[in-house]
Amino acid sequence: ETGVTQTPRHLVMGMTNKKSLKCEQHLGHNAMYWYKQSAKKPLELMFVYNFKEQTENNSVPSRFSPECPNSSHLFLHLHTLQPEDSALYLCASSQGEGPWGTEAFFGQGTRLTVV
Amino acid sequence: GQQLNQSPQSMFIQEGEDVSMNCTSSSIFNTWLWYKQDPGEGPVLLIALYKAGELTSNGRLTAQFGITRKDSFLNISASIPSDVGIYFCAGHNNDMRFGAGTRLTVKP
Repeated sequence: ETGVTQTPRHLVMGMTNKKSLKCEQHLGHNAMYWYKQSAKKPLELMFVYNFKEQTENNSVPSRFSPECPNSSHLFLHLHTLQPEDSALYLCASSQGEGPWGTEAFFGQGTRLTVV
Repeated sequence: GQQLNQSPQSMFIQEGEDVSMNCTSSSIFNTWLWYKQDPGEGPVLLIALYKAGELTSNGRLTAQFGITRKDSFLNISASIPSDVGIYFCAGHNNDMRFGAGTRLTVKP
């Protein structure tokens, strides 16, 4: 079983749909992250959760809504997205503290296409 | 700001050649990390660097944390076909910032 698991791997949704991305980590980490990866652009940090508390929201539109019910699970709820939101959405986790707290481990990503 | 400039954008090399790529920033980082991403997968951590001047190896990979804390490089020695992929640098202070990536192609 991989350390960070994301589901689904692929998602196609219409602009009026509501869907959710799920991330689960089995590494005992305290911090979880959502990143967006678009073609030919650096990875963009969207949200950070430390000990289930949201500590960062990088000016992400409200049509993206994160949820972290516990330190092992992270969701990204999607609502009325735009075609330009099509991208690879990556979840990551890290210890969040301590000398190796910055080492982030990524899931395989969800390839989202908005039509 | 904390933008990372990664170069080169892409490299086409022959199997067996050595590879060098680097990352620079106008900002100081406390940690530098290097990741590799294969098609359809998430980035995988290769090397993490925590001290200015630190030189760390992981098999054929060697990375250094620049003495100014504003840069880092990654070298791959004796490249093989499975080295193909996109390599990302990342710098960490309060959060993690990524470079745009170096796309490596290895010709057999």
